[in-house]
Amino acid sequence: GQQVMQIPQYQHVQEGEDFTTYCNSSTTLSNIQWYKQRPGGHPVFLIQLVKSGEVKKQKRLTFQFGEAKKNSSLHITATQTTDVGTYFCALRSGGGADGLTFGKGTHLIIQP
Amino acid sequence: DAGVIQSPRHEVTEMGQEVTLRCKPISGHDYLFWYRQTMMRGLELLIYFNNNVPIDDSGMPEDRFSAKMPNASFSTLKIQPSEPRDSAVYFCASSLDGRETEAFFGQGTRLTVV
Repeated sequence: GQQVMQIPQYQHVQEGEDFTTYCNSSTTLSNIQWYKQRPGGHPVFLIQLVKSGEVKKQKRLTFQFGEAKKNSSLHITATQTTDVGTYFCALRSGGGADGLTFGKGTHLIIQP
Repeated sequence: DAGVIQSPRHEVTEMGQEVTLRCKPISGHDYLFWYRQTMMRGLELLIYFNNNVPIDDSGMPEDRFSAKMPNASFSTLKIQPSEPRDSAVYFCASSLDGRETEAFFGQGTRLTVV
């Protein structure tokens, strides 16, 4: 199935700084989803991107889907302590299969 | 709806014992996924079902792992015999359909095999 590379694995920021995580695929994606997992919690859906070049915003979070639909990013402006957690991109396997596979995730650590 | 319900929340067992994890998906969801999460390997898809039928079990580590979905409201993941390296958090998730809907996760079962 399709795989996606997510970077960075860890990101330390000072509270108030911006944060970005990236997902890259070698093949064209039909869509991509983003999830957040708080420490000790379970993954929670944030958003889905479907269209080439799509940009969606949720308050301080901005999600982008590349023009070639091979990469995506999540950007958080002015991080807050509530943003702590692991951010995952996820995609359906493709090729007629619908298994939802996740990237390795980016662990966001915020220093007050 | 109460969401995806998993039980137990925590399980500690001795090596060699059988372990059964349980999941109740959200009513009306056609897809059910089982994941294993560890620090080293991240969130791994083990198996998923569509309308109670297993579609892809290529992520199941080995024959010691088996999963069933006897009806639309219940699924089990069984490990027999369990080994210390099976220690992980196991998540169950469900989604309404296959391609463009979000997955809802249960709270997970933290398994420790000693």
